[in-house]
Amino acid sequence: AQSVSQHNHHVILSEAASLELGCNYSYGGTVNLFWYVQYPGQHLQLLLKYFSGDPLVKGIKGFEAEFIKSKFSFNLRKPSVQWSDTAEYFCAVDGTYKYIFGTGTRLKVLA
Amino acid sequence: KAGVTQTPRYLIKTRGQQVTLSCSPISGHRSVSWYQQTPGQGLQFLFEYFSETQRNKGNFPGRFSGRQFSNSRSEMNVSTLELGDSALYLCASSSGGAGANVLTFGAGSRLTVL
Repeated sequence: AQSVSQHNHHVILSEAASLELGCNYSYGGTVNLFWYVQYPGQHLQLLLKYFSGDPLVKGIKGFEAEFIKSKFSFNLRKPSVQWSDTAEYFCAVDGTYKYIFGTGTRLKVLA
Repeated sequence: KAGVTQTPRYLIKTRGQQVTLSCSPISGHRSVSWYQQTPGQGLQFLFEYFSETQRNKGNFPGRFSGRQFSNSRSEMNVSTLELGDSALYLCASSSGGAGANVLTFGAGSRLTVL
């Protein structure tokens, strides 16, 4: 069955710390991968996406993610987080006429 | 251009009632999909419509239904509400064509069932 696993449900970091959020997927076929972010009180919005090509993709606000096909992973990284990165982060894979989302990771950045 | 618009934003219902939620997609987008968001569960896929046809459906009971109109606007209906239906219902639109699509989400309709 198609699925997406996010390993960390809650993460607390201090400003300037580095961030890595894990995401593994199970999907047979060509994958399109996404990270979405939901800031407090705001809509879900696209952070970055991977369709093909360079497995290291860059998104908004200094985020990047690396697609590792052999590990079925698409981890999200940021070298130095800011207080404004406090949000919930969702990994997703594009299935057949639907997205499959992970359960999300709540990130809290302490000023 | 205008984003995805969902109405109503908040609503409170009692068990056994029914509810209809509406979604207007971004102009030009022909695909509308619905998700249920609850704490700890992430986003659960409900259904997806493209040009008035349901192309995919998630694992929800038949009390959950939807439709899409010729102008791409979509509605979802939940009948015989249960306490567990309390959630944020998100609508997303995309072009829906062949190949990869990026979803644009609305603000959601927060349903509370008492």
